[in-house]
Amino acid sequence: RKEVEQDPGPFNVPEGATVAFNCTYSNSASQSFFWYRQDCRKEPKLLMSVYSSGNEDGRFTAQLNRASQYISLLIRDSKLSDSATYLCVVTRDTGGFKTIFGAGTRLFVKA
Amino acid sequence: NAGVTQTPKFRILKIGQSMTLQCAQDMNHNYMYWYRQDPGMGLKLIYYSVGAGITDKGEVPNGYNVSRSTTEDFPLRLELAAPSQTSVYFCASRHGGQGTDTQYFGPGTRLTVL
Repeated sequence: RKEVEQDPGPFNVPEGATVAFNCTYSNSASQSFFWYRQDCRKEPKLLMSVYSSGNEDGRFTAQLNRASQYISLLIRDSKLSDSATYLCVVTRDTGGFKTIFGAGTRLFVKA
Repeated sequence: NAGVTQTPKFRILKIGQSMTLQCAQDMNHNYMYWYRQDPGMGLKLIYYSVGAGITDKGEVPNGYNVSRSTTEDFPLRLELAAPSQTSVYFCASRHGGQGTDTQYFGPGTRLTVL
């Protein structure tokens, strides 16, 4: 079983739709959580950190449930420019700092 | 700041050749990382460094070597290229310390081994 698992995707949605991505992690010692965005043939870039209290950045809302070891990302009012792969990332600092990337969920937003 | 830079952008190698992928950062970050990303897959950690002179293996270190003689530079060496090393290689850095977990990535090096 992978340490970080995401919805396999791809997600195909029309402009203006709301889309939700899910991610689960298996190591309860995980400490920090992030969503990164990766455009085709480009490097990953931080989209937002994820906090237990939930956090919002414009059309993007991230949630963390430590008890269920579950992370989510909600995108409201999807834009064509949101088309990308979204990577769930978990870090922990036991036995050396480790960053574990999920395989990513591809999103296509159509006009 | 240029951030994290990588050279070359593209490279084609023959089986058995060697090469060094260069990575540099100008943010005075302590931590640096090398990842590989195969098509449709997530990133896998090859090697990482927590400071000059200190390196450690990641998840997939076989066939690679690294060195960290300065804070700025973290080159990745492939000694005997194999087709299985065809991938996109990303270098990343982060400052370290609490609340500074964000990693900044370079633009990647696309390597093909034929």
